[in-house]
Order: sequence, then C-alpha cells, then structure tokens
Amino acid sequence: QQQVKQSPQSLIVQKGGISIINCAYENTAFDYFPWYQQFPGKGPALLIAIRPDVSEKKEGRFTISFNKSAKQFSLHIMDSQPGDSATYFCAASISGANNLFFGTGTRLTVIP
Amino acid sequence: IAGITQAPTSQILAAGRRMTLRCTQDMRHNAMYWYRQDLGLGLRLIHYSNTAGTTGKGEVPDGYSVSRANTDDFPLTLASAVPSQTSVYFCASSDSSVAGGPLDFGPGTRLTVT
Repeated sequence: QQQVKQSPQSLIVQKGGISIINCAYENTAFDYFPWYQQFPGKGPALLIAIRPDVSEKKEGRFTISFNKSAKQFSLHIMDSQPGDSATYFCAASISGANNLFFGTGTRLTVIP
Repeated sequence: IAGITQAPTSQILAAGRRMTLRCTQDMRHNAMYWYRQDLGLGLRLIHYSNTAGTTGKGEVPDGYSVSRANTDDFPLTLASAVPSQTSVYFCASSDSSVAGGPLDFGPGTRLTVT
C-alpha cells in the first residue's frame, strides 16, 4: 500500500512555464514532507521540505504548498528551465520513526 | 569530502549467489539507511541503523541483512539473490538518529539478478 500517492507520473513543460507535482497522504501522523530531486544516474538530493505548521514554503523558484485538511501537498517550479529536467519524489515521515515514505516519482521534462 | 560512496557501481549476479553491497560515509552521521528504487514504486526502505551496533527492518527487509560495526560503514548483504532483487540500491545517511531529517544519498548500485 502506497503511503504517499504522487501525480502525475510524467510531465512536460515549456521553458518558462510552471511545473506542478501533487502528492497526497492518509496518515495524519506525518509531520515532515520533503521533496527530492534525482538526475539520471545519481542519487536523490533534498530539494525543499515543509512541516505542517506552515502552509507554504518558498526557496527560489521552488515552492511547496501544504493543505493539512486535505492531506495534500504540492511542488511548484516557477519559470521552469531545461536544467530542472529530472525525476521528483515527494515523501513523508513521522518524527521519531525510521522510515521516509516516498511517492512513486514524477519525471519532469522541460523543453526549450 | 566524498559524502557517501557505494560499491560496486553495478553488478550482474546469478540467482542463488551471495552479494554484499558496500556503503561508506565520511560525514559522521549517526543514522544510515538502505533503499531500493524500482520503477513505479519509488524508493522503499530495506533496513536502517540509528547508530553503530544497532539495526532495524524497513518496509521490504526479506532476503536482505545488514550490519553496523562502526559509524562509517553499512553493508547490505543478499544471502541468496533472486531475480526480484533486481533493482537500484541507494545507501543514505542522516545527521539525526530520528527520522524526519534530511537524507544524504549515495550514487547507487545497479544490481541485476539473472
């Protein structure tokens, strides 16, 4: 059973456009929601993360929006660039536990 | 600073053979993890270790074992490989023994079991 559901599976965006990736979860005990970025042949790398005490976090062109009541969170990439082309994973965990539950990933392609 | 190194980079293994995937970190992180990545399934935790001398089971531990003799090394052993263990394996570490902190991932080992 997938603890974190991620969509879409793949996404093609024009350069300069907005990329949006959505995730949903069921376990209300989750209190840490990171996004990881993975380039081909590399390990995932932390991109940005949020805790449920805030509804939005922005770092440069990357923004996480968090909706606690809907149990959903999303990643927005503004002014998408070809260098953003990668696979993005959302994840969730419970403080004090040992597992970070990952979504199934979204392959983003930004075309020039 | 190397961060996390994994060896080998890739391996083709006959079913039934024993294999150890190596992982070493130089960040003095307490916690270390092994994940497998499969298309359409994301990353799933196999085993973890909160500190040297302790280990625990993750979501998909069957067929795998780990040891943590010291802070830096966290090898993953497949005692008798099966084709369903074909995957990309990532070692990760965290500077907190409590999950929820950022994970640093290694470059991965691509394993094919035939």
